[in-house]
Amino acid sequence: AQSVTQLDSHVSVSEGTPVLLRCNYSSSYSPSLFWYVQHPNKGLQLLLKYTSAATLVKGINGFEAEFKKSETSFHLTKPSAHMSDAAEYFCVVSGYGQNFVFGPGTRLSVLP
Amino acid sequence: DTGVSQNPRHKITKRGQNVTFRCDPISEHNRLYWYRQTLGQGPEFLTYFQNEAQLEKSRLLSDRFSAERPKGSFSTLEIQRTEQGDSAMYLCASSSDGLYQETQYFGPGTRLLVL
Repeated sequence: AQSVTQLDSHVSVSEGTPVLLRCNYSSSYSPSLFWYVQHPNKGLQLLLKYTSAATLVKGINGFEAEFKKSETSFHLTKPSAHMSDAAEYFCVVSGYGQNFVFGPGTRLSVLP
Repeated sequence: DTGVSQNPRHKITKRGQNVTFRCDPISEHNRLYWYRQTLGQGPEFLTYFQNEAQLEKSRLLSDRFSAERPKGSFSTLEIQRTEQGDSAMYLCASSSDGLYQETQYFGPGTRLLVL
């Protein structure tokens, strides 16, 4: 069985400061891991994915995430937040041929 | 636009009525997924097709729910005798086959409100 824990339901940062959204996973397989972003009234958009290649994954809009097997973590970071980053972020775990298991989400607020 | 499309975008219905949603995946994708998302939660898996074959159904998919993908292209999700608890966003996603878990591309969703 697979599961995802997103440790913060809401994160608030000031524009221009770093962003850290935490994700821990549980998987019986070698997992694939994804981060998706959901802006209000818009569809889910893929930010980045890890599929057993490089452990530091770079995504769109300056986001990146590091896969740490020993810590079963896949935290999402960005050096400098922008107002347009305000959205809901979902960490997702999956195994090959398996379905996506979504975390509960973290709402990111960016203050001017 | 070659992304995943869903229709309708919004549906309001009365309890007890039947509703049907349609999903058109990215044309070259042979996998299609349905999810349900309630307010403040992450999407939850409902069912999955490989071409026209429905390969997996979640326990969330009660007998009132049925999904089809008759020609391996578009898919429909029908809810019979709707209940207020069915109110949610219904999301469709598609992906290709591959050596790894392929990225799922999501549609904009159909928001259902059952009165």
